[in-house]
Amino acid sequence: AQSVTQLDSQVPVFEEAPVELRCNYSSSVSVYLFWYVQYPNQGLQLLLKYLSGSTLVKGINGFEAEFNKSQTSFHLRKPSVHISDTAEYFCAVSELGTNFGNEKLTFGTGTRLTIIP
Amino acid sequence: DADVTQTPRNRITKTGKRIMLECSQTKGHDRMYWYRQDPGLGLRLIYYSFDVKDINKGEISDGYSVSRQAQAKFSLSLESAIPNQTALYFCATRQGSGELFFGEGSRLTVL
Repeated sequence: AQSVTQLDSQVPVFEEAPVELRCNYSSSVSVYLFWYVQYPNQGLQLLLKYLSGSTLVKGINGFEAEFNKSQTSFHLRKPSVHISDTAEYFCAVSELGTNFGNEKLTFGTGTRLTIIP
Repeated sequence: DADVTQTPRNRITKTGKRIMLECSQTKGHDRMYWYRQDPGLGLRLIYYSFDVKDINKGEISDGYSVSRQAQAKFSLSLESAIPNQTALYFCATRQGSGELFFGEGSRLTVL
């Protein structure tokens, strides 16, 4: 069964500094990988996704993530953060099974990113 | 209007009461999901449905039931609410293996 680990529950970062939010997954088969963002009092929205192809994936708001199969990681990065990036970020994995199209998404426990002015 | 609409957005109820949370979507997606969010636990899957006739239990289905009344509607029921069901509940939709689209959440408090 698949699982996702986000080791950092909270990450404080100064404004305009770079940030990396870590995500590691466990699966015995190929996977799809996602990062979602949840702004205060809102639902989740997709930041970026890896389905296949290039391992460096670019998303909205200047975020990017790199899929590393050997390290089973999908870390999220941004070179310069803004106050508006304050939110909770969730990594999610979906296993590719034999019943294609019916995969379930498993979420990590989330990382709360706080931007310090 | 939102693509995925949840009602009610907030609800306070008492232990033992029956509660229904409703979800409707205008995206035409076949797959619908109910998740529960608790601080420090992330999102956990309660039930999911791949079409009107296909409903499946998620990892924490005990104490919950669902109904897929139509392709666009998926309701979550708590037959007899208890305090540890206090949480933020999200409905989501998905087409195939693509991304999930979430509603804005329903905050339930059970006293």
